[in-house]
This record gives sequence, C-alpha cells and structure tokens, in this order.
Amino acid sequence: KAGVTQTPRYLIKTRGQQVTLSCSPISGHRSVSWYQQTPGQGLQFLFEYFSETQRNKGNFPGRFSGRQFSNSRSEMNVSTLELGDSALYLCASSPDKGLAKGNEQFFGPGTRLTVL
Amino acid sequence: AQKVTQAQTEISVVEKEDVTLDCVYETRDTTYYLFWYKQPPSGELVFLIRRNSFDEQNEISGRYSWNFQKSTSSFNFTITASQVVDSAVYFCALSGNQAGTALIFGKGTTLSVSS
Repeated sequence: KAGVTQTPRYLIKTRGQQVTLSCSPISGHRSVSWYQQTPGQGLQFLFEYFSETQRNKGNFPGRFSGRQFSNSRSEMNVSTLELGDSALYLCASSPDKGLAKGNEQFFGPGTRLTVL
Repeated sequence: AQKVTQAQTEISVVEKEDVTLDCVYETRDTTYYLFWYKQPPSGELVFLIRRNSFDEQNEISGRYSWNFQKSTSSFNFTITASQVVDSAVYFCALSGNQAGTALIFGKGTTLSVSS
C-alpha cells in the first residue's frame, strides 16, 4: 500500500497570501488529521476530518481551515499568511474510527512552508 | 486538559549504551491511549507503539522496550544497545477515547548516538 502523500513538499509564500496544502491518505483510511510543527511550539494538532466531517479543531485562528473530499483526500488552507505560519505541516491518516478509538496515525513527509 | 511532558530535551550517548526516554502524561479520561513516534532527520514521523490505559503490561520489541505505569502516569521508552541509526527525535503522545479527541504530543527528545 502506498503511504500518505503530501503536496507540495516545499512552498515559499509572502505575508498576506494564502496557501492550500494537499494530503492523500492511505487507501481505505477515512480519518485525516493535520498538524503544525515548529521549533518553538512543537507538534500541534490542527484538525481531524472523518468521512468529510471535521471532528475536532485545535487552538488555531480561523485563518486555518480544511476540508475532506469523498475519496478521503484532504486539503488545508491558510489565508492571510503571517511570518509565524512558517512551519512543517504534517498530515496523518488513520484506519477504522480514526483518533476516537486510539488508532495509530500514519504520517506523510510533510509540507515545508516558508513565509517571507 | 491533556498534557504530555518529555523533560529530556536532548540526550547524547555512545553506541551500545542503553538509553531511556521519559514521558509523563496528564489526563482526566479513564480510557486513553499512549503512543511513541520517531522522527528521523528525513522528517517523517514513524509510529513505534500504542498502549491503551487498561494494558499496563510492558512490551519489548527487539532493542526497544516500553514501561507503562499508571501509578506514576509515565510511559517510558528504553533503547538497549543503541545504534547510530537510532538518532532521531522521539515523541510521546496521548489521545482520548471519544470522537473529537486530539492527539497531544510532548515536545520531543532529541537522541544523538555517536559511534
């Protein structure tokens, strides 16, 4: 089985712009979660989608949004980019009921976003 | 609120040494799950182990072993006879049992193994 894929792998944007990141989960996985990783804050949960519904959202401003499609692929959008949004954005997919039943998550390689 | 503390920020050892990575967690849930993930320099997080709150049995997998103690809210990870390839950042994480739970990570411990 192919693993979790994320595109693009690297992205450079300027302040004020918006960005869309894409994640394709492992085939058969219906749960997709997104995380932001920075040196200062570490790994922080952004949100989880399960069967096209957002089940939980972390403590991030409304500029961060996401969605999931019927094929379980997910996108994450950040509007009005700020310098502090520079980070590694990781996507993870999970089998069965996802995070709710303690299923392990399988992570993609991440998208490295740099905001200038 | 849920919280995971990895007090050791960095650990350096020489090959073949044993090393233990500490993890202390806080939760009010009676059912919860604990995880360890490894992040090598390539950046991709690799799942190592999952434990649920009702299973305190220690586990050994090759050179890796995990010690789960509910009495001290700890889930420590030991690498026996460390190797250079073990160099990575190791994260301990915690999640609940209900829909809408999040996976909460500790800050991670950077392990450097030199030859």
